[in-house]
Order: sequence, then structure tokens, then C-alpha cells
Amino acid sequence: IAGITQAPTSQILAAGRRMTLRCTQDMRHNAMYWYRQDLGLGLRLIHYSNTAGTTGKGEVPDGYSVSRANTDDFPLTLASAVPSQTSVYFCASRATGPGDSPLHFGNGTRLTVT
Amino acid sequence: GEDVEQSLFLSVREGDSSVINCTYTDSSSTYLYWYKQEPGAGLQLLTYIFSNMDMKQDQRLTVLLNKKDKHLSLRIADTQTGDSAIYFCAEDNFGNEKLTFGTGTRLTIIP
Repeated sequence: IAGITQAPTSQILAAGRRMTLRCTQDMRHNAMYWYRQDLGLGLRLIHYSNTAGTTGKGEVPDGYSVSRANTDDFPLTLASAVPSQTSVYFCASRATGPGDSPLHFGNGTRLTVT
Repeated sequence: GEDVEQSLFLSVREGDSSVINCTYTDSSSTYLYWYKQEPGAGLQLLTYIFSNMDMKQDQRLTVLLNKKDKHLSLRIADTQTGDSAIYFCAEDNFGNEKLTFGTGTRLTIIP
């Protein structure tokens, strides 16, 4: 079934550790996004990529990095995790750029930083 | 910057209609979306409306757009227990790199 796969589903991580959240899509979408979801704050964009080889910063990029080596994969790395990064992380993609196609979401990664 | 606002909670009796409201600030919005999030899952696209439309109907769902007041609503007719979820509205336009989401409205169904 075509869609977005995120891994792991959930993770408990000690503060200071490095962690990469994986995201793969098989829809050949150009644009990909990482959001975090926190109670009462909705979804906030961390980083995005409009096409392979390019990335951009969202609203809350500090402490996170991304890469987009190919169309399908868009990993999110926490270089040194802190408790405030405890959240649910969603990867999303869409066919083209802003304004003309809806986002498709993965099922999320629930991350707890202790 | 763009802002999208929703009330956090809504409770509705089973069988009644639910109306979830959303206001946004970006007058250049081109698409406005409604997403549904069930517990433990990602967001699913429910429906969307292009900014030159006033209304869109899809089975039990009716979307109304008042562009002058920058107000979007989602009406769910004959609300069922399976409609319990968090509903997010989001706005988009060609000038932005991202969708802007509201905080989500948690819909609770009263038996």
C-alpha cells in the first residue's frame, strides 16, 4: 500500500543521546516535511524539503537536522536530545509544492526524552 | 505571519450535527483543509476547499467558507461514535512553504 512509513513507532531516549527518526515514502512526492505535535500547540513545522537535495527550516528547527539525499527518504536527526524534544513527530509529503496538493501523513513516532 | 485558530473542545450527542469552526488570518490562502486524527494515528485528509468556493459537500461532510470573514467550518451530519477524533483545519497558499495548522478541536460524542 502506497504511503509514508515512519520508524520507530516509539522510542525512549536518554538526554544527550543522538537519534535519527526515519521517514520513507513511495509515492514519488517531491515535497516532504517534519512536524512535531504537542498538546495545545497543534502541529509545528521543524524542517521541510521541496525537492531532493534541498532543505529548509520551519518554525522550530533548533536542535534538529535533516537531509534529503533522494526523493523517498527524509530522516530527522536529534544531535543531542533534550527533554523538551519529547513529542510526537510526524513526517508528511505531497506531490508538488505549496498551494496545490494536500499533505499525506505517516503514523508518527512518539519520542520520550528522559 | 499566518495564524489559524480553533476551539479546543466540542461535545455533541450521537445523531446530532457537529460544527467545527476555524478562523485564519492569511487573506491569500488558496486551499483550506480539514484533517482528522484518531488516537495513536497520523492525520488523514478529510476534505478541502479551494478559496474561490463557498461550500463543498461530501456525503455527511459540509465545508463552508466565508472568505470575507476568513472563517471556515466543517459540519458533520448525523454524528457517530466513529467521528470521535481531533479535527485540524489548515490553510495553504502559493507563497508559503508550508501548511499552517490550527491547534485542533477534540470532538467527543455523547451517547
